[in-house]
Amino acid sequence: QVQLQESGPRLVKPSETLSLTCTVSGYSITNGYYWGWVRQPPGKGLEWIGSIDSSGRTYHNPSLKSQITISVDTSKNQFSLRLSSVTASDTAVYYCARNPHIWDGAQATLYYLDSWGQGILVTVSS
Amino acid sequence: QSALTQPASVSGSPGQSITISCTGTSSDIGSYNLVSWYQQHPGKAPKLMIFEDSKRPSGVSNRFSGSKSGSTASLTVSGLQAEDEADYYCCSYASSRTLIFGGGTKLTVL
Repeated sequence: QVQLQESGPRLVKPSETLSLTCTVSGYSITNGYYWGWVRQPPGKGLEWIGSIDSSGRTYHNPSLKSQITISVDTSKNQFSLRLSSVTASDTAVYYCARNPHIWDGAQATLYYLDSWGQGILVTVSS
Repeated sequence: QSALTQPASVSGSPGQSITISCTGTSSDIGSYNLVSWYQQHPGKAPKLMIFEDSKRPSGVSNRFSGSKSGSTASLTVSGLQAEDEADYYCCSYASSRTLIFGGGTKLTVL
């Protein structure tokens, strides 16, 4: 059974870069699927950040695209999120999740998020 | 991209049925059979309840069902139980090759 676990600093200073890693166990990330990041500010709703496959092909939320870097390390069965120039509004619980898809020509159609990590609260504060 | 529109709250008594709506546009819900629904209890990660508009993952109670008409999707919970009290989020694939969530609906079991 696939399991996902987020890790990284829980406190980040404004204007710095937030970096998180999702470690996948029980399933090889090279066996298909996209792998996504979702965040949830305290007391608010869910926001999709972006998704990546094992080849490094990515899709991003356009509202965050200038800040986001999503990468994959197949040797460690991990994928990562970097969010630059953070402000207090980036304070949130960050989740990683498995993201089934199909290929639609040369691009992917993302389906749903079927397995989630427990989430990690990252606070942006000086 | 704008969030999908959900009611902020719904409520029902044990044993009753409730329906949560999720309204999008012709660029998301109206164009794809790719609406999913998630249940989230306080302090917990979201859980997939419905995918591809109306399919249930293994292990999800058949009291949960999904449907869609045009650009509006719906989640129905029948035979309400206390454990169903949670936040529910819809999500859809969009033509911009992104995923869009609804704002969430708080279900209260009276």
